[in-house]
Amino acid sequence: EDQVTQSPEALRLQEGESSSLNCSYTVSGLRGLFWYRQDPGKGPEFLFTLYSAGEEKEKERLKATLTKKESFLHITAPKPEDSATYLCAVQDGGGSEKLVFGKGTKLTVNP
Amino acid sequence: KAGVTQTPRYLIKTRGQQVTLSCSPISGHRSVSWYQQTPGQGLQFLFEYFSETQRNKGNFPGRFSGRQFSNSRSEMNVSTLELGDSALYLCASSLAQGVRSPLHFGNGTRLTVT
Repeated sequence: EDQVTQSPEALRLQEGESSSLNCSYTVSGLRGLFWYRQDPGKGPEFLFTLYSAGEEKEKERLKATLTKKESFLHITAPKPEDSATYLCAVQDGGGSEKLVFGKGTKLTVNP
Repeated sequence: KAGVTQTPRYLIKTRGQQVTLSCSPISGHRSVSWYQQTPGQGLQFLFEYFSETQRNKGNFPGRFSGRQFSNSRSEMNVSTLELGDSALYLCASSLAQGVRSPLHFGNGTRLTVT
């Protein structure tokens, strides 16, 4: 059974203080690992897809990396508007579009 | 391009009633999935539809059902509502099965069962 574990559950940073969020996974034949951002009262917003170990993707202050067992979301010099819950999900190679999500990391960036 | 649209945004129902939620996918997207989100369990997969056929179903009781129409729009139904069905129900769409494209989510329907 596919499993995703995210850590920490919550993270509080000062503006400009860089850090990383972790996503550990077990999956039978990884088809893709996805990062989403979710703001209160809204649906998850797509950030990145990573398909194979060693792959990296960047968007503004965010950079996602992937190994065979985990993914990291690095946040460089965060701003208060980066405050949100960050969700990691995996899609296996079974042909379904189904995503298995972790419980998320709630990030708060204080000014 | 319009995103995934879910209606209604909020619903309050009583135990034992039934409810129907609606989802309009992004134009051109043919695959629609539904998820339930609760504080304790996070996001859990309900079911997935492509070309009006259910392709996959999560571990939920038979009270949860859905369907997809020829225009890719989808509905999900929950019968005999229980207090534990209170949750945010999210719909997501993607281009097609087997194509490398991410799921895009709507803002959900917040269901409260009293």
